[in-house]
Amino acid sequence: GAVVSQHPSRVICKSGTSVKIECRSLDFQATTMFWYRQFPKKSLMLMATSNEGSKATYEQGVEKDKFLINHASLTLSTLTVTSAHPEDSSFYICSAIPDRAPSFDEQYFGPGTRLTVT
Amino acid sequence: AQSVTQLDSHVSVSEGTPVLLRCNYSSSYSPSLFWYVQHPNKGLQLLLKYTSAATLVKGINGFEAEFKKSETSFHLTKPSAHMSDAAEYFCVLANAGGTSYGKLTFGQGTILTVHP
Repeated sequence: GAVVSQHPSRVICKSGTSVKIECRSLDFQATTMFWYRQFPKKSLMLMATSNEGSKATYEQGVEKDKFLINHASLTLSTLTVTSAHPEDSSFYICSAIPDRAPSFDEQYFGPGTRLTVT
Repeated sequence: AQSVTQLDSHVSVSEGTPVLLRCNYSSSYSPSLFWYVQHPNKGLQLLLKYTSAATLVKGINGFEAEFKKSETSFHLTKPSAHMSDAAEYFCVLANAGGTSYGKLTFGQGTILTVHP
């Protein structure tokens, strides 16, 4: 089956530092990936659409200079939280649409990354 | 604009009794709707999907959902709950095309608790 991994699963960083989260499609290629943020006891909010070889498309209200997205290959997208602050603490989830499946409804999610900024 | 509303933040049932998780949606287009389940420390798993075919959709683990256009609802049901069903469930609406291709709108989530 289609598997998406995220690394790390948990990370604690100090305020002011940057942290990078990786999202990999392990057994399929994905031109399009998505990054979501999930607040405690809240739903998932789409942050941005990541497209291989082009700039990410950010949702309204998401700071593109703070949340840097790089989709350098067909199996890897990275989210870098720059100059992290405690309010950036959250659960970050990625998803990927397999290139072999033109239907948008075949979308696979990673297990998520818990970021804690102290 | 489109939105998804899950009417219950928590649902508690006894093992062996029916499960009903309620979801209403709003969409300007013919919607594609999904139910996902999230177990602790695990990724979201697709339970079932509706994409304009049969209105009664059967999914994995005995779950099913019925698309009712007149009521703008897509409630999730299961005849008999198992302890392993305890998790958080999300009702999700998908954008079908244009620049919003693949974007998902999530409901607020419903935490299902199953008692022995």
